[in-house]
Amino acid sequence: DAGITQSPRHKVTETGTPVTLRCHQTENHRYMYWYRQDPGHGLRLIHYSYGVKDTDKGEVSDGYSVSRSKTEDFLLTLESATSSQTSVYFCAISAGRISGLRSGEQYFGPGTRLTVT
Amino acid sequence: TQLLEQSPQFLSIQEGENLTVYCNSSSVFSSLQWYRQEPGEGPVLLVTVVTGGEVKKLKRLTFQFGDARKDSSLHITAAQPGDTGLYLCAGSAMYSGGGADGLTFGKGTHLIIQP
Repeated sequence: DAGITQSPRHKVTETGTPVTLRCHQTENHRYMYWYRQDPGHGLRLIHYSYGVKDTDKGEVSDGYSVSRSKTEDFLLTLESATSSQTSVYFCAISAGRISGLRSGEQYFGPGTRLTVT
Repeated sequence: TQLLEQSPQFLSIQEGENLTVYCNSSSVFSSLQWYRQEPGEGPVLLVTVVTGGEVKKLKRLTFQFGDARKDSSLHITAAQPGDTGLYLCAGSAMYSGGGADGLTFGKGTHLIIQP
């Protein structure tokens, strides 16, 4: 298994409070991603990082911010949580291109189940 | 926005039967991955296909990438209860330049194999 941990694994919070989810990897991979998984929508990309302090927005980035100050850690912050952000959040890592092709292989953490009440 | 349509969404069959799951798009992908996910866990990578027309086998699972790199299929022979799970296809976009952008996922196929 890829060395990816997420914390916390479960969290219940109230609307309007800030929440930070942490992803930690031991693989020294350059690329890290945050996805959310919801019934009927599948997995959707929130933000991703292509290096320390280098991040970009994904499909559903509104209401979320990220930071990456070290290769091994990628933080996802909900500045003011809303009920629509109740979801399961997955972190993924990738080594990026292999043999000049965009291989796309990503390895996922165990997920964080977030409930906003 | 690239979309991946997976079918069927739900499939329940008896042990020993064969099945095929489809993943279709109008967009071309540089590669396509298949993942399997069990309840309470993250998706686990099964295979990556890169070349149009490519076929890969993983025991009783056969994966195929369409010639035009817009579609893929997963065929399971003699399904077993241990094959039960959520199967996801995901495509990597054809962008120029460096990096590895996020994947586009299908909504998944919930597969139940009954003993």
